[in-house]
Amino acid sequence: KQEVTQIPAALSVPEGENLVLNCSFTDSAIYNLQWFRQDPGKGLTSLLLIQSSQREQTSGRLNASLDKSSGRSTLYIAASQPGDSATYLCAALVVMDSNYQLIWGAGTKLIIKP
Amino acid sequence: GAGVSQSPRYKVAKRGQDVALRCDPISGHVSLFWYQQALGQGPEFLTYFQNEAQLDKSGLPSDRFFAERPEGSVSTLKIQRTQQEDSAVYLCASSLMGYEQYFGPGTRLTVT
Repeated sequence: KQEVTQIPAALSVPEGENLVLNCSFTDSAIYNLQWFRQDPGKGLTSLLLIQSSQREQTSGRLNASLDKSSGRSTLYIAASQPGDSATYLCAALVVMDSNYQLIWGAGTKLIIKP
Repeated sequence: GAGVSQSPRYKVAKRGQDVALRCDPISGHVSLFWYQQALGQGPEFLTYFQNEAQLDKSGLPSDRFFAERPEGSVSTLKIQRTQQEDSAVYLCASSLMGYEQYFGPGTRLTVT
């Protein structure tokens, strides 16, 4: 059974620092891996989606990597800003009984201090 | 174009009441998913539709939970005789093919 873990559960860093959020999964048979952002009281915003055949994806200050063999993905945020404060969730897409299903981590709550 | 919308955004119910949560997916999206997210946790899968067919309901926590999508578009998640443990954010997502999901803002349900 696929399990997704995110460490740390919470992180607080000063503005301007580069940081890395970690996501690990137990079964390498994933279709893709997505990183989402969730702001309080709001829904989920997709940040980056990495297909199983890809190693990384970049969007602006964000870079996500995927290493299926080790069961790990990282989200790198460069030059962090207070507006980056949110909860970041990773989710692995798996195929179960011919249906797609997202398996989620519990998230990392990020606070960027001005 | 419009994204996924959900209503109501907030719902307070007394224990034992029935509630109905609505999801309007992106037009043309075949797949629709419901998730339950408890405070401080990641979302948990509840059920999945492809058009009007409910292909997977393995995540529904009890027979008090019921979902439908009768015309393959709008979906309703119904919870009967609500309990305090049902308090959570209920998220709906739609997808064209199933492998990239777009999420609505969620409905926050509080059972008192």
